[in-house]
Amino acid sequence: QLQLQESGPGQVKPSETLSLTCTVSGGSISNSIYYWGWIRQPPGKGLEWLGSIYYTGITYYNPSLQSRLTISVDTSKNQFSLKLSSVAAADTAVYYCARLLEVWGQGTTVTVSS
Amino acid sequence: QSVLTQPPSASGTPGQRVTISCSGGSSNIGSNYVYWYQQLPGTAPKLLIYRSNQRPSGVPDRFSGSKSGTSASLAISGLRSEDEADYYCAAWDDSLSVLFGGGTKLTVL
Repeated sequence: QLQLQESGPGQVKPSETLSLTCTVSGGSISNSIYYWGWIRQPPGKGLEWLGSIYYTGITYYNPSLQSRLTISVDTSKNQFSLKLSSVAAADTAVYYCARLLEVWGQGTTVTVSS
Repeated sequence: QSVLTQPPSASGTPGQRVTISCSGGSSNIGSNYVYWYQQLPGTAPKLLIYRSNQRPSGVPDRFSGSKSGTSASLAISGLRSEDEADYYCAAWDDSLSVLFGGGTKLTVL
């Protein structure tokens, strides 16, 4: 059974870079059928797609975040990662990784605060 | 502002059938599958419907999905108190971006 697990710091200071990793188990990230991606949910708000990556490294980003966002993949570790630069309080959210759009991780809470 | 449009709220009484709509465009719902999620407070979204009308194993057949043109619907029959949750629709766009609806809060009266 495919499982995804997010990992990374729970708190990031304003203007710094948020880094998260998603570890995939029970299946290969190199499966050519699927895209992998990141989704977030600010407190009390809805879901927002951040970006997607194919195992070859091709990426697609939400235009509103494109200038600050980098998603990468490491097929040898069966992981993909997110880096969001110049964070602010508005980036406080639960961050989910997913095999789009069917299998999600449990989510990790990231708070932007000094 | 979400590109997929859902009503912010819906309600029903136990045993009733309720539907939640999700409206999009020709480049997303009109030409791609729709996904529906249930989110209980403090938990990750749970996949209810994939490929517009397919149920994952373990999802009761009280939940059903349909699509027509650029709109989709989630129907819940035999409403139960435990169905009270937030519901989200999602779809790929032809640009290979992913779109979510703004969510619908379902209240069981």
